[in-house]
Amino acid sequence: DAGITQSPRHKVTETGTPVTLRCHQTENHRYMYWYRQDPGHGLRLIHYSYGVKDTDKGEVSDGYSVSRSKTEDFLLTLESATSSQTSVYFCAIRGGTGANVLTFGAGSRLTVL
Amino acid sequence: DQQVKQNSPSLSVQEGRISILNCDYTNSMFDYFLWYKKYPAEGPTFLISISSIKDKNEDGRFTVFLNKSAKHLSLHIVPSQPGDSAVYFCAASDRGGGSNYKLTFGKGTLLTVNP
Repeated sequence: DAGITQSPRHKVTETGTPVTLRCHQTENHRYMYWYRQDPGHGLRLIHYSYGVKDTDKGEVSDGYSVSRSKTEDFLLTLESATSSQTSVYFCAIRGGTGANVLTFGAGSRLTVL
Repeated sequence: DQQVKQNSPSLSVQEGRISILNCDYTNSMFDYFLWYKKYPAEGPTFLISISSIKDKNEDGRFTVFLNKSAKHLSLHIVPSQPGDSAVYFCAASDRGGGSNYKLTFGKGTLLTVNP
């Protein structure tokens, strides 16, 4: 167990509201990631971090921002949620079962009405 | 442009038979390949991986084959069990990317193993 906790696990919100998803890890991993999973699209990378305050964009970063002010927490923010951001969001760390393996959290299901 | 492709959205096999899941990639910089398994309402879990310096890696009932010239890999599950029913994702990475390390995933294949 890589000690990854995502919160909230489920959230329903309305279009235009801000939403923040939190990923917390307990094992001091340097790399953290946010992916989203949608039917027909698989897992797509939103943003990732390779250290405190070091972040970069993934393939579907529009409409999302991230922050990493300490090693253990990686926050994903939707500044103004849209229905197209209804998805399941997975946080991951690099490590766990191998140096080049990503280990995923249990996911956060977000519904934007 | 999809860099990792899983062209079969679903696969159904009988218990005890072999399951073969396929994956193609287009980026020649990819040098490390992974398979993940995902059950509903859970996060993906790592299954098996292979480096580009190998053409086969085996772990119990699971074997991954890599054909670099064809940019193709496959996951063999023998014998298949009902508990193997899940979505399988193929993923690839470029380990030479330094701090730019990330996994690119395919769209997944839903495997159903029938008793």
